[in-house]
Amino acid sequence: DGGITQSPKYLFRKEGQNVTLSCEQNLNHDAMYWYRQDPGQGLRLIYYSQIVNDFQKGDIAEGYSVSREKKESFPLTVTSAQKNPTAFYLCASSVDRGNYEQYFGPGTRLTVT
Amino acid sequence: EDQVTQSPEALRLQEGESSSLNCSYTVSGLRGLFWYRQDPGKGPEFLFTLYSAGEEKEKERLKATLTKKESFLHITAPKPEDSATYLCAWMDSSYKLIFGSGTRLLVRP
Repeated sequence: DGGITQSPKYLFRKEGQNVTLSCEQNLNHDAMYWYRQDPGQGLRLIYYSQIVNDFQKGDIAEGYSVSREKKESFPLTVTSAQKNPTAFYLCASSVDRGNYEQYFGPGTRLTVT
Repeated sequence: EDQVTQSPEALRLQEGESSSLNCSYTVSGLRGLFWYRQDPGKGPEFLFTLYSAGEEKEKERLKATLTKKESFLHITAPKPEDSATYLCAWMDSSYKLIFGSGTRLLVRP
């Protein structure tokens, strides 16, 4: 089955710790994205990548970092510099960054206390 | 500033009671309009893409339409399993998706 997987589904961390969220896709898509979703708000773009070894900041990149060493994988690290990291994180992919629909993974709910 | 507004924020319907959800925008350089369905605690599920005013697409009880400044998601004779949050997103000239905050739909049996 083709799709996007994110792990873990739930993640708990202490304040001050870095944490990495996994995102893998087997759709052979070139573009991958990370979004953050907070209650009552629309999805906000954190980072995106159009090809391997290239990525660009989205609207709310501060306190986050990414890598794109393989086409299938786009991990997101939430650093201790992110002031309000508790949120629902969604990974998506699309054929490329053009006029194509983005397909989303199941999400990771991160809670930082 | 580019903005997407969805209304109503929440909608309660009886099973079989048809209605429409609205998505309006102030986005420059529109490239497309996307509708998604999101169930609680899950990722959004793609429903439709519309590219030009006058375009319509249908899937089961759902029909999406597009004008120059807004899109509607019409739900005909909804069932309880249609209960979800419906998200719309406009793609701007830089191919970025700008999401609305969603409409929470509850269909009661």
